[in-house]
Amino acid sequence: QVTLKESGPALVKPTQTLTLTCTFSGFSLSTSGMRASWIRQPPGKALEWLARIDWDDDKFYSTSLKTRLTISKDTSKNQVVLTMTNMDPVDTATYYCARMTISGYFDYWGQGTLVTVSS
Amino acid sequence: DIQMTQSPSSLSASVGDRVTITCRASQGISNSLAWYQQKPGKAPKLLLYAASRLESGVPSRFSGSGSGTDYTLTISSLQPEDFATYYCQQYYSTPPWTFGQGTKVEIK
Repeated sequence: QVTLKESGPALVKPTQTLTLTCTFSGFSLSTSGMRASWIRQPPGKALEWLARIDWDDDKFYSTSLKTRLTISKDTSKNQVVLTMTNMDPVDTATYYCARMTISGYFDYWGQGTLVTVSS
Repeated sequence: DIQMTQSPSSLSASVGDRVTITCRASQGISNSLAWYQQKPGKAPKLLLYAASRLESGVPSRFSGSGSGTDYTLTISSLQPEDFATYYCQQYYSTPPWTFGQGTKVEIK
């Protein structure tokens, strides 16, 4: 079955760079049509899509966060990595990775990891 | 970017009630709409896609309808495990993939 799990620091300081790793199983990002995304959710707020990476290494980013985000994959490890630079307290959120279908909705989600930005 | 607006933001209902949640897109999205259920402290769970197609394993009391810019999620008979927050998401004009602000279904 498909599973995803996020890992990374629970606390980062303002201006630091956040690196999150999504380790997944049950599918391969080397298979044609496979995609993975990062989505975040500030406490008590709505979901916000951040970035997507495809099996062919195509990448897409949120327009408002594009300059701060980098998404990459390690196919051999079944991992997707998201880096976000210049973290700010407003970036405090639960960060999810999810598998995206070829249509564009998210059929499997990780459990999420809460990242708090505070000095 | 396509904006997704859900209504209401919250509602109170009783077990057995019929519940309807609306999602309006800022432009037509040609049924490219998914619905998710999220319980506190948990990840969202896919309920429906293509506006009306039930994801495998989701109870048949959940249904979706709509066209153009206006879509609805209906729970025909609310069950205790359905108290949660529901989100819609469009995947018609992307990037970005955008979500509604959520509708919280609470116990009356």
